[in-house]
Amino acid sequence: DAGVIQSPRHEVTEMGQEVTLRCKPISGHDYLFWYRQTMMRGLELLIYFNNNVPIDDSGMPEDRFSAKMPNASFSTLKIQPSEPRDSAVYFCASSAWDIQYFGAGTRLSVL
Amino acid sequence: AQTVTQSQPEMSVQEAETVTLSCTYDTSESDYYLFWYKQPPSRQMILVIRQEAYKQQNATENRFSVNFQKAAKSFSLKISDSQLGDAAMYFCAYRRARRRDDKIIFGKGTRLHILP
Repeated sequence: DAGVIQSPRHEVTEMGQEVTLRCKPISGHDYLFWYRQTMMRGLELLIYFNNNVPIDDSGMPEDRFSAKMPNASFSTLKIQPSEPRDSAVYFCASSAWDIQYFGAGTRLSVL
Repeated sequence: AQTVTQSQPEMSVQEAETVTLSCTYDTSESDYYLFWYKQPPSRQMILVIRQEAYKQQNATENRFSVNFQKAAKSFSLKISDSQLGDAAMYFCAYRRARRRDDKIIFGKGTRLHILP
């Protein structure tokens, strides 16, 4: 299995632009998680899905953030409009039970 | 609420020596999982070791072992025969068992330097 695949690896954008991060979970995993990592706040859970349904989005910082999972093999995290304080590494992870497997992350820089 | 605390922001160890990373956690649950994840400069989060709270035996994976003290809510990671490739950020993490919500709570991390 290729593991959790995230794209792009790096994203540089200007303030106000829309940003879309993508994730392909491991086949057969029924949970998918989006995390944000910053130096100040560490790893924060933003939202997670079970069987494509959002279960808990209490970690989403603002309405500018949205996430979707249209099918079992694809999820997106969208920021619109983006702001410099959104600069961080965004991870996607998937699991079938107790172990979460992480993607390589997307480093987002908002100028 | 559950919390995970790593009190050592950074540590250094000589190559081939042994180092122990500390982690404490707070929970009212009796059944849960504990993890150590490694994040090298490549940024990939890699699972190092997992411990199930109902098991008294400490988990071991090659050069990595844990000291799980349930009463003290302590979960330290020991790395034996440290290698240059062990240099990374290490995160301690907690998750409740027997629940399908599957949220993991991470500590702030300990950056480990390996000195040649």
